[in-house]
This record gives sequence, structure tokens and C-alpha cells, in this order.
Amino acid sequence: AQSVTQLGSHVSVSEGALVLLRCNYSSSVPPYLFWYVQYPNQGLQLLLKYTSAATLVKGINGFEAEFKKSETSFHLTKPSAHMSDAAEYFCAVSDRPGGGNKLTFGTGTQLKVEL
Amino acid sequence: NAGVTQTPKFQVLKTGQSMTLQCAQDMNHNSMYWYRQDPGMGLRLIYYSASEGTTDKGEVPNGYNVSRLNKREFSLRLESAAPSQTSVYFCASRGLAADTQYFGPGTRLTVL
Repeated sequence: AQSVTQLGSHVSVSEGALVLLRCNYSSSVPPYLFWYVQYPNQGLQLLLKYTSAATLVKGINGFEAEFKKSETSFHLTKPSAHMSDAAEYFCAVSDRPGGGNKLTFGTGTQLKVEL
Repeated sequence: NAGVTQTPKFQVLKTGQSMTLQCAQDMNHNSMYWYRQDPGMGLRLIYYSASEGTTDKGEVPNGYNVSRLNKREFSLRLESAAPSQTSVYFCASRGLAADTQYFGPGTRLTVL
């Protein structure tokens, strides 16, 4: 069984400040991990993914995440927030393709960026 | 490419009515998925189809049926809608041996 916990349903940062969105996972097998972003009234867009290669993963729009097996974490960061980053962010864990590649999502973190 | 498309975008039903949500992808993907999104609960898997001709239950299948019509299309049917099925429904697809799912724009369903 897999699960994802996202700490903080709402995070607010100032424009230019560091963005840190937390994600912890539980998985009985080596996980695939994903961060998706959802802008208002839109579908989900892939930000980045970890699939057992490099533990520091770079994604679109300046975001990156680090897989830490010892901490079962996959936190999302961006050095400098921009107003356009305001959105909801979802962390997800999947089983492997042989298991249907089913995604289990966290409950999401709404990011607000203030001037 | 259109990617993953969903119809309709919005729908309002009365309790007990039936309807089918349509999903199509033009990426030649083998696997397709239906999720529902509810406030504070993230997305939850309803049904999925690993390949044409197969379907399997996800986390919350009760009250839904699916049909994998062909490789491109995967529909979700509500036979007798209930207010608890008010939600935003997302379809997704994934290529063979790939690890990433691609999502459609969603259908916002309200059941009165």
C-alpha cells in the first residue's frame, strides 16, 4: 500500500522568497514520485518526477525536488517565488508500470504568492 | 496534438439521473485512468484500464462503471447519480512502459 502526506494545505510566501512544499511518502516498493501543478480551473500538469535515477530532480519553471530515502521525503523547492507560481501542488506516488502505474495523490498544497 | 480531451466541461444532474463522461486521447497510449477530485482529498482513482479490453477498479469505484471503447476512448458512466458524486472528474493516459500520466482538463459535475 502506498500513501502520501503533504504537510500544510496552504502555504503563503512573498514574491522572491524561497518556496518549500513538503511531501512524505510511504511505499512497500521503491517508489516513483511525482509533483503535479494545477492552475485554477485547469487539469494537472507534470512539474517533475523521480524514477530511481538522480536523487535531485529538476523540473519546469525553476522547481526542483530531492528524493531522500532515509527521510521518505520528496520536498519541492524553488529559490525565488514568482506571482505566476500561485497554484495548487500535488505530490503523488505510483507503483511500477507492472502494477498498473496507479497514482496515489496527497491532499494538495495551495501556494499563495504575495507582493 | 490535443492530448487528452474530456466532454462535457460542466454538467448539472438531478439525483437519480444517469450520464456518461467521455475521454479520448490521441497519443496512442495504452493505459487510461479516471480520477475524482474533491476539496481537501486530492485525486482518487475510480477505475483504470491498463490496456484495450481490460478495466480494473481503483480506490473509489462504487456507483460508477467504465468502458474502454477502443484504444483512444475511455468512458465513465454514472447509472444513478447521487449528491456524493458531485466532484471534478479527470481522465488521464499513459504510454506503454512509460511512467508519466497526462491529464485532461476535467469535467465539473454537480448532482442536485
